[in-house]
Amino acid sequence: NAGVMQNPRHLVRRRGQEARLRCSPMKGHSHVYWYRQLPEEGLKFMVYLQKENIIDESGMPKERFSAEFPKEGPSILRIQQVVRGDSAAYFCASSPPGQGGTTNEKLFFGSGTQLSVL
Amino acid sequence: KNQVEQSPQSLIILEGKNCTLQCNYTVSPFSNLRWYKQDTGRGPVSLTIMTFSENTKSNGRYTATLDADTKQSSLHITASQLSDSASYICVASSTRNAGNMLTFGGGTRLMVKP
Repeated sequence: NAGVMQNPRHLVRRRGQEARLRCSPMKGHSHVYWYRQLPEEGLKFMVYLQKENIIDESGMPKERFSAEFPKEGPSILRIQQVVRGDSAAYFCASSPPGQGGTTNEKLFFGSGTQLSVL
Repeated sequence: KNQVEQSPQSLIILEGKNCTLQCNYTVSPFSNLRWYKQDTGRGPVSLTIMTFSENTKSNGRYTATLDADTKQSSLHITASQLSDSASYICVASSTRNAGNMLTFGGGTRLMVKP
C-alpha cells in the first residue's frame, strides 16, 4: 500500500508562470489536506477537500490559488502567476473515510513538493 | 489566536544520551496534542496523539507527556540514535472547524552526533 504520493518533488517556475502540484492520497483515503511550510516555520493549513468537494478553504490566499480533488485522479493545487513569495514546501496529507474533519483523525503526509520561484 | 511554541529551536546531543523537547500551546477549544517527526525533505510522521485526559504516551524510545492545566507538553527521547536526527513538531488540535483543526509549532531541530 503506497503512501501519499506527491509530484513533482521539486518544481522551478519563473515569476508569472503557473504551478500545478499533484497529490495522490493513500489507497482508500477520501480526505485530502494541503499545507504550506516556509523555511524555519510550522506547517500552515491551506485547504481541506473530499472527493469533488472543498470542505474548508479558510487558509487559501484569496487570489491565484485554487485546489480540486476530482472524482478520478489526484488532488491538484494550482498557483497562477507565481511570485517569489510562493516559494515554499507544499505538503499534502490524507486521512481515511470516517475520520476526516474529526478531532482524532490520523493524517498521513506525503514527502512534499518544493516550489522555487525564480 | 491559536498558537504553539516549541523550545529549544535546535539541539545537539551525543548518541546514546537522552533529551527532552518542550511545547507550550494556546488552542481553544482543545482536543488533542500530537508529536510528529519530520526528516529533512520528507513529510511529518506521527509519533503520538494524546487527548486531554491522557498524561503520558509512549512509542518505543519516545515518551510524550501532557499537562492540560498548564497547556504544556514534552517529548522525551531515550538512548538517542543517529536516526533520531530530525525536526520534532508539536501540534495542537482544536474542535473549532472541520479542516483547520491543527496548529503546528515551528519544530525543534535535533541533531544526534556520534
